[in-house]
Amino acid sequence: AQSVTQLDSQVPVFEEAPVELRCNYSSSVSVYLFWYVQYPNQGLQLLLKYLSGSTLVKGINGFEAEFNKSQTSFHLRKPSVHISDTAEYFCAVSDPATGRRALTFGSGTRLQVQP
Amino acid sequence: DTEVTQTPKHLVMGMTNKKSLKCEQHMGHRAMYWYKQKAKKPPELMFVYSYEKLSINESVPSRFSPECPNSSLLNLHLHALQPEDSALYLCASSQTGTFDEEQYFGPGTRLTVT
Repeated sequence: AQSVTQLDSQVPVFEEAPVELRCNYSSSVSVYLFWYVQYPNQGLQLLLKYLSGSTLVKGINGFEAEFNKSQTSFHLRKPSVHISDTAEYFCAVSDPATGRRALTFGSGTRLQVQP
Repeated sequence: DTEVTQTPKHLVMGMTNKKSLKCEQHMGHRAMYWYKQKAKKPPELMFVYSYEKLSINESVPSRFSPECPNSSLLNLHLHALQPEDSALYLCASSQTGTFDEEQYFGPGTRLTVT
């Protein structure tokens, strides 16, 4: 079964500093990878996704992520964060090899941007 | 229109009540999902409908009963719930339910069972 690990439950960072949120998945076979953001009292919104091709994926709000197949990682980065980026971030994987058409989510990382 | 709407926003119900959650989308999507999310946890998949047919049931207790009357509408009927069922219930949709699709989430219904 597929699993997703987000090692950091909370990441505090100062405004305008860079940030990296880490995500590792369990399978090295072809998978589809997603990052979703959840602002307080809201549903989830897609930031970016990796399906195939270039390993560097750019998303909304200045976020980008790098797919690394050998390390089974898909870390999310932003060069300069804003207060408004404070939210919960979920990495998710979809694995065709399982035949299960559903996302497997990581446990989430709370990004806290401080002034 | 890329919106998924959910009603009500908040719901408080007793353990003997019967209530329903409603989800609607007008994006022409043919896959719809129910998730349960407890505080500070990721969403947990409950049900998936594909072309109005139930395709995944994650061993959810029968006190939760999903219904997909048409391709735009998804309901979750609730009966005899327990306090531990209190959570945020999220609805999502995607184009056809294939592996590489983005899911669009609604804002959720916050359910409290007393």
